[in-house]
Amino acid sequence: QVQLQESGPGLVKPSGTLSLTCAVSGGSISSSNWWSWIRQPPGKGLEWIGEIYHFGGTDYNPSLKSRVTISKDFSKNQFSLQLSSVTAADTAVYYCARARYGDFYYFDYWGQGTLVTVSS
Amino acid sequence: SSELTQDPAVSVALGQTVRITCQGDSLRRYYASWYQQKPGQAPVLVIYGQNNRPSGIPDRFSGSRSGNTTSLTITGTQAEDEADYYCNSRANSANHVLFGGGTKLTVL
Repeated sequence: QVQLQESGPGLVKPSGTLSLTCAVSGGSISSSNWWSWIRQPPGKGLEWIGEIYHFGGTDYNPSLKSRVTISKDFSKNQFSLQLSSVTAADTAVYYCARARYGDFYYFDYWGQGTLVTVSS
Repeated sequence: SSELTQDPAVSVALGQTVRITCQGDSLRRYYASWYQQKPGQAPVLVIYGQNNRPSGIPDRFSGSRSGNTTSLTITGTQAEDEADYYCNSRANSANHVLFGGGTKLTVL
């Protein structure tokens, strides 16, 4: 059973950088899966942030691309999100998830989510 | 267009059948997946591909597609099915991913 667990600061100052890590257990991030970040502002819907492929390439949401970096740490079996120049609009629950991309594309495992608040 | 459109809210009587729809150009090319989200919880995959259910998802959940519209159908809706439902697919450009705005399902 694959498990994902987000961690990182729950409070980030405006104009700062949001940094989160997703620890993966029960499976390897070097396997043929894609690893994603998704967020949900309070009371709103899901927004895809970006993903990193098993071989290390990345795709990002065009609306966030200039501020987002997703990376992997094979030695720790985890992947990370950095979002720069944050504002209050970036306040959200941030989820990490595993994506399967073969005949179909879907997120089969999700972390529990972590709330990040942008405030001074 | 690189959007997925869902009705914001749908209601259904207990035990009846409800269809939740998702529209978008990308759905002509890509199958959608569907997620159930209850308050304070992470989303849970309920349908993916043509009509596939992950292990543990009741068979009252089913999926279908016609043209640019994909549907999630719940047959014999139960009280515990009350939740928000989101559709998802790759965008036509294939280098990013879309979510619908979500549908709040109320079971009466």
